[in-house]
Amino acid sequence: EPEVTQTPSHQVTQMGQEVILRCVPISNHLYFYWYRQILGQKVEFLVSFYNNEISEKSEIFDDQFSVERPDGSNFTLKIRSTKLEDSAMYFCASVGQGQQPQHFGDGTRLSIL
Amino acid sequence: AQSVTQLGSHVSVSEGALVLLRCNYSSSVPPYLFWYVQYPNQGLQLLLKYTSAATLVKGINGFEAEFKKSETSFHLTKPSAHMSDAAEYFCAVSVRTDKLIFGTGTRLQVFP
Repeated sequence: EPEVTQTPSHQVTQMGQEVILRCVPISNHLYFYWYRQILGQKVEFLVSFYNNEISEKSEIFDDQFSVERPDGSNFTLKIRSTKLEDSAMYFCASVGQGQQPQHFGDGTRLSIL
Repeated sequence: AQSVTQLGSHVSVSEGALVLLRCNYSSSVPPYLFWYVQYPNQGLQLLLKYTSAATLVKGINGFEAEFKKSETSFHLTKPSAHMSDAAEYFCAVSVRTDKLIFGTGTRLQVFP
C-alpha cells in the first residue's frame, strides 16, 4: 500500500537555525497537510496546501514557517529561525481528490537545543 | 467550526475486557469522523473512519465505532482487549478534505 514518507526521522538543531522537514506524499494525492505534536499533547493542525498554494493555516503557522512543493513529489516545511518551543513531532499527511481519510507519515522528531 | 472532546485521558482495562473510549464531536455540517492509534514513538495509524455511509463502522484490530447523530458521539469499542492494544487513541473530525481536528487523546492501558 502506498505510504507517506518523511525525512529525517529525527532532526537536532541549534536554536535560531533554519530547518527543513521533508515529505513525499502518496503520488496521486492532491491535498497536503502538516501537523505537529508537542510531547505528551494532542496533534495540532499547522497548514494545508492545495493546487500549489496554502489553503488554510493555523495561528501556530506564523511568519517563521513556510511550505513548498518544489517538484512533483516533495512537500517541505521550513522553519526559518527555530525556537525551543518548536521542539515537537511533525507529521505530514495527504489526501486524494475528495477521499478522506488523511494518510500520515511516521513523523519527524525535531529537537531544538 | 468543528471540535472533538475525548472523555478520559487514561483508561485501564484487563486483558479480555471490553474497551470503550469515548468521543463527542461538534460540527455545523455533516462531519467525517476518525479514530487514529499511536504506539509509542510512532506515527498515526488509521483505525476506522465514518464518512456518511453506515453508522456502525468496523476497523482494524477488532475495533468498531458507532456514529450517533442524536448524541453527537463516535465512541470506539472492542469486545476483548489484548495487551497489544495499549497505545494512545485519538478521535478526529473533519469536513471533506479540510484539516483534521484532533481530540486530546486517551491512553489505553491493558493489564494482564
